[in-house]
Amino acid sequence: EAGVAQSPRYKIIEKRQSVAFWCNPISGHATLYWYQQILGQGPKLLIQFQNNGVVDDSQLPKDRFSAERLKGVDSTLKIQPAKLEDSAVYLCASSLEFQSQETQYFGPGTRLLVL
Amino acid sequence: AQSVTQPDIHITVSEGASLELRCNYSYGATPYLFWYVQSPGQGLQLLLKYFSGDTLVQGIKGFEAEFKRSQSSFNLRKPSVHWSDAAEYFCAHNYGQNFVFGPGTRLSVLP
Repeated sequence: EAGVAQSPRYKIIEKRQSVAFWCNPISGHATLYWYQQILGQGPKLLIQFQNNGVVDDSQLPKDRFSAERLKGVDSTLKIQPAKLEDSAVYLCASSLEFQSQETQYFGPGTRLLVL
Repeated sequence: AQSVTQPDIHITVSEGASLELRCNYSYGATPYLFWYVQSPGQGLQLLLKYFSGDTLVQGIKGFEAEFKRSQSSFNLRKPSVHWSDAAEYFCAHNYGQNFVFGPGTRLSVLP
């Protein structure tokens, strides 16, 4: 079965510009997650969706970050305007259901560099 | 707040030697515990997980982990390390849909 797809794989922008990342989860997976992984740190959960509804976005910097999951399948994460500290790898993951023991399957990530 | 600690930032072992990576969690109740591996430029891959039952769990690639409630630990082990095991290893727990990763341990393998 196909894994979690993400694009682009790499992005370089200048501060104050905007950027968007795309994620296509594994077919049939109801739950989708976006993580931010800063160099040398573990991934930090930004937002999680159950189908097309937001379950938790408590760690999403809502003044500049937004995410949507229209139709409960693909998702986009946007940053506007970007700051230097947003340089990180943005990981998308999906799981079959919204349960604690469910395995999350991760995509390869999008590496963002903000200059 | 729930947290996961991995005391070792970087570990170096010789190929064929045994390995133990440490993980401690802060939450009092039994969480759901996971170990993931991340190779350079790759996404995270699940090695194993624990949520109930036998406290010694077997995973892929010859890894195993033991849950010890008294020590709030979930250490990862492998009896004989291969050069391809060089990667970053993350412990994580999930309780109440609050998924938290540790800071990771980077494993280097000497030939």
